[in-house]
Amino acid sequence: GAGVSQSPSNKVTEKGKDVELRCDPISGHTALYWYRQSLGQGLEFLIYFQGNSAPDKSGLPSDRFSAERTGGSVSTLTIQRTQQEDSAVYLCASSSQYNQPQHFGDGTRLSIL
Amino acid sequence: QKEVEQDPGPLSVPEGAIVSLNCTYSNSAFQYFMWYRQYSRKGPELLMYTYSSGNKEDGRFTAQVDKSSKYISLFIRDSQPSDSATYLCAMSVNDYKLSFGAGTTVTVRA
Repeated sequence: GAGVSQSPSNKVTEKGKDVELRCDPISGHTALYWYRQSLGQGLEFLIYFQGNSAPDKSGLPSDRFSAERTGGSVSTLTIQRTQQEDSAVYLCASSSQYNQPQHFGDGTRLSIL
Repeated sequence: QKEVEQDPGPLSVPEGAIVSLNCTYSNSAFQYFMWYRQYSRKGPELLMYTYSSGNKEDGRFTAQVDKSSKYISLFIRDSQPSDSATYLCAMSVNDYKLSFGAGTTVTVRA
């Protein structure tokens, strides 16, 4: 079966532009997560969605970051007014429910010029 | 101090050797422990998933958790060149917000 799918795989943009990153979770998975992986850093939790519950946004680094999940499936992570420090790999994961192992996509490599 | 500390490596071993990977942590509330393998330009792949203290074995992989020492380990027996990757430890209190180590890059030489 299909795994977690993320698009685009690579994104290069100029400082100050907005970007949207997309995640298609594994079919039937109710929990969805976004993480950020910076060079030399571990994965950093950003946001968690579970079904129709309010998301846990506690990991979002600033109000320039937002995410939504439409219809309990596809999720979009939006970064407004991008800064060079936003350059990283953004990883999405999903699980069948909150307490089950998380399965990751291959990420979007974001470079801010 | 980071919540999860992982031996930075890199680690280079000959084929067939035992690879030993370690993480320490400071949050005594962690109760779920995981090891992920990440190949270059790929997402992390779950290798081992354990709850509480003890050992868990899966093929050539053994995960150990010592909650009293706040220390977890992953051992890879009979290492192969295909095991060359970055290994990430991860742990959580409530099993959705994972805290990761920075990763250890392992190279297995043929």
